[in-house]
Amino acid sequence: GAVVSQHPSRVICKSGTSVKIECRSLDFQATTMFWYRQFPKQSLMLMATSNEGSKATYEQGVEKDKFLINHASLTLSTLTVTSAHPEDSSFYICSAREVSGAADTQYFGPGTRLTVL
Amino acid sequence: AQSVSQHNHHVILSEAASLELGCNYSYGGTVNLFWYVQYPGQHLQLLLKYFSGDPLVKGIKGFEAEFIKSKFSFNLRKPSVQWSDTAEYFCAVNANDYKLSFGAGTTVTVRA
Repeated sequence: GAVVSQHPSRVICKSGTSVKIECRSLDFQATTMFWYRQFPKQSLMLMATSNEGSKATYEQGVEKDKFLINHASLTLSTLTVTSAHPEDSSFYICSAREVSGAADTQYFGPGTRLTVL
Repeated sequence: AQSVSQHNHHVILSEAASLELGCNYSYGGTVNLFWYVQYPGQHLQLLLKYFSGDPLVKGIKGFEAEFIKSKFSFNLRKPSVQWSDTAEYFCAVNANDYKLSFGAGTTVTVRA
């Protein structure tokens, strides 16, 4: 299957700082990528849809000014958590959408563990 | 918006036992269906998917799933589990907006 990478895998930062997470599709082009949060022992919660060359679309309740998304190329989307606070600590996962014929599949990155002190 | 229900929160079974995980969705139109697995400390991996055609779908690692449209179900099965199948299993659905809706997940623990 298709491969998606994320960097960094783990980050610890101080409250008030900003953190950037990268998501890359390594062997396919993705016009659409997605960002999720996963809380311990829970399912994935979709935060936003990242669209190459246009603005991201955010799910209800997700602050777009807090979670900045940029999808500058067909293989890279970034999520910046601005002015991070302890409640932003979470596991952030990206996925990249591969469309091949009638098949439309999301492939997931390994996730980024963010800890805000 | 579609919703996805996974009936079993935690399943514990012994090696060689058969496994079946339930998944139901609520959406009346055409859907694409997926099962993902998350092994301890690892990322989500696609087990199998259904788009159209044969409603019995075979995936990796001996898993299969059956789409029953009349029951809005997409249950996952494996005839004989191994200790290495211990993981979290997620059912997911997308409809016409290509966003995935996930079930709450089922933790499967296989005892040696």
